[in-house]
Amino acid sequence: EAAVTQSPRNKVAVTGGKVTLSCNQTNNHNNMYWYRQDTGHGLRLIHYSYGAGSTEKGDIPDGYKASRPSQENFSLILELATPSQTSVYFCASGEGGQNSGNTLYFGEGSRLIVV
Amino acid sequence: QEKVQQSPESLIVPEGAMVSLNCSFSDSASQSIWWYQQHPGKGPKALISIFSNGNKKEGRLTVYLNRASLHVSLHIKDSQPSDSAVYLCAVSLNTGNYKYVFGAGTRLKVIA
Repeated sequence: EAAVTQSPRNKVAVTGGKVTLSCNQTNNHNNMYWYRQDTGHGLRLIHYSYGAGSTEKGDIPDGYKASRPSQENFSLILELATPSQTSVYFCASGEGGQNSGNTLYFGEGSRLIVV
Repeated sequence: QEKVQQSPESLIVPEGAMVSLNCSFSDSASQSIWWYQQHPGKGPKALISIFSNGNKKEGRLTVYLNRASLHVSLHIKDSQPSDSAVYLCAVSLNTGNYKYVFGAGTRLKVIA
């Protein structure tokens, strides 16, 4: 079973502070994703990556940066955290490929509260 | 941009009932549709996917895709209390970049 590990699992940050959410996958998947989940909105894509060194903007990238230093690791960075970024963040990995490929494997989530 | 709408928002059924969940999407060229299950405090887990018009059955799950009506449904036979979860519909965009758009989910509760 594919494994995706997120840290920290819970975080309280102050407005204006910097927050880094980390994600590690041991599946050797090319694609990695960061989503946030809010009531009524489902999962919304923030940033994604096709491999080490690449990052792409998703649907709601404003206020977030991403870093993919290696195949295994993908970080989400909030340089100046705001209360509107209070949410649950999910990292996912996927193989890529057409049709039967690219099942997404999700981590357990990181709950962020910005006060 | 692709839009994915799920209905109903929530559903309560007795154990053993057949459950039907609906998902509508806006782009007929969408490549594939996935259903994910999410238990409280956990990450979503892939259940079943469909790529071609028609239906696909896996165990107690059956999914129907009608591209003409931009609609996909998931049916769970003989529902169990362990099926209680949020069910997310995810549609992949036909852009070759493996992005998925998720619906807001249907919250299912199966009562013993």
